[in-house]
Amino acid sequence: DQQVKQNSPSLSVQEGRISILNCDYTNSMFDYFLWYKKYPAEGPTFLISISSIKDKNEDGRFTVFLNKSAKHLSLHIVPSQPGDSAVYFCAASNTGANSKLTFGKGITLSVRP
Amino acid sequence: KAGVTQTPRYLIKTRGQQVTLSCSPISGHRSVSWYQQTPGQGLQFLFEYFSETQRNKGNFPGRFSGRQFSNSRSEMNVSTLELGDSALYLCASSLDGLRNTIYFGEGSWLTVV
Repeated sequence: DQQVKQNSPSLSVQEGRISILNCDYTNSMFDYFLWYKKYPAEGPTFLISISSIKDKNEDGRFTVFLNKSAKHLSLHIVPSQPGDSAVYFCAASNTGANSKLTFGKGITLSVRP
Repeated sequence: KAGVTQTPRYLIKTRGQQVTLSCSPISGHRSVSWYQQTPGQGLQFLFEYFSETQRNKGNFPGRFSGRQFSNSRSEMNVSTLELGDSALYLCASSLDGLRNTIYFGEGSWLTVV
């Protein structure tokens, strides 16, 4: 059972425009969410996170929005740059001594020059 | 500050063999977790170690095992390799694994032939 779902496998955006990457989750116990970016042949790199006590967190060009009632979060990148082209993973965890990250399958973002 | 280091980066094994992968976490990090990435499956959690103890485990068969040493370095072992074990194995470390950001290594590419 996929507890973290990234239903769109790919997204293509023009340079300078906004990229919106979506993620849905089913486990209501999840209370901490992260986004990772991954280039080919490299490990995932942490981008941004959000706790369930917030509905928005911003870091430069990256903003994550959380809608707890809909169990949905999104990552906005604005403006998008060609160097943003990568696979983006959404991940979630729940508070507890044995917390672990549950990842989605990833979205491949392509930013066209 | 050195990042997470994984060795070897690439290896090819034959069905039925066993393999050991190594991970050195970021200095000061005591939690080490392992993930398997296969095409179309995202990152799947294998297990997490903290202070030499397995604290959490994913849904993988017993052929997958790991351990952590007193210096926080970790190894994972896969016995009786199957073709389906071909994947990128990622190690990640964090301060204590409790809602901390986890940092990934570059991974070990395993091909089983």
